[in-house]
Amino acid sequence: QVTLRESGPALVKPTQTLTLTCTFSGFSLNTYGMCVSWIRQPPGKALEWLARIDWDDDKYYSTSLKTRLTVSKDTSKNQVVLTMTNMDPVDAATYFCARTSAIPVAGDFYYYMDVWGEGTTVIVSS
Amino acid sequence: SYELTQPPSVSVSPGQTASITCSGDKLGDKYACWYQQKPGQSPLLVIYQDTKRPSGIPERFSGSNSGNTATLTISGTQAMDEADYYCQAWDSSAAGVFGGGTKVTVL
Repeated sequence: QVTLRESGPALVKPTQTLTLTCTFSGFSLNTYGMCVSWIRQPPGKALEWLARIDWDDDKYYSTSLKTRLTVSKDTSKNQVVLTMTNMDPVDAATYFCARTSAIPVAGDFYYYMDVWGEGTTVIVSS
Repeated sequence: SYELTQPPSVSVSPGQTASITCSGDKLGDKYACWYQQKPGQSPLLVIYQDTKRPSGIPERFSGSNSGNTATLTISGTQAMDEADYYCQAWDSSAAGVFGGGTKVTVL
């Protein structure tokens, strides 16, 4: 059974750096085709994709947020860490991590987020 | 940046067919997937790679993608299908993009 759980501070101050951890089980990021994505959702708003880290340590970021985001993995601990710098009240949201599976298609890969964590809510306030 | 556009809401009577569209430039050249999200819950993958259903997703959920539009179709809609639905694709730089979401109401 695949599970993911997000953890991190519920409250951060403006300008601080947010660090979130995704702890997962039931799969390994050492396995070909396994990845983890981060997604957020402000209250009452749409999903927004943030970042992805792949089994081969390739990393991909949201175009609009890439200067503020860093994603890393610790395969020995089955964890993926997302950091977001210079937090602002508009960054308040529920942050999700999701297992992302890559399947080979026509010489490339297709990715889909097939199992999601429950999410962790972050408030940004002084 | 790449954008996906969905209608804000769709209403459907129980037992009828609901169609939710997702529009993006040459979306048919990419693969689309669809997520269902009920209030207070995490998103659930219902369609991936345009037309494939994950294990456990009912057959009444189907997908298509051509030209600039991907479509999620719910046949024989049930009250339990009332939820927000999001389309998603990957842009040319391998970044993920979500549509704005469509609220499906079963009247």
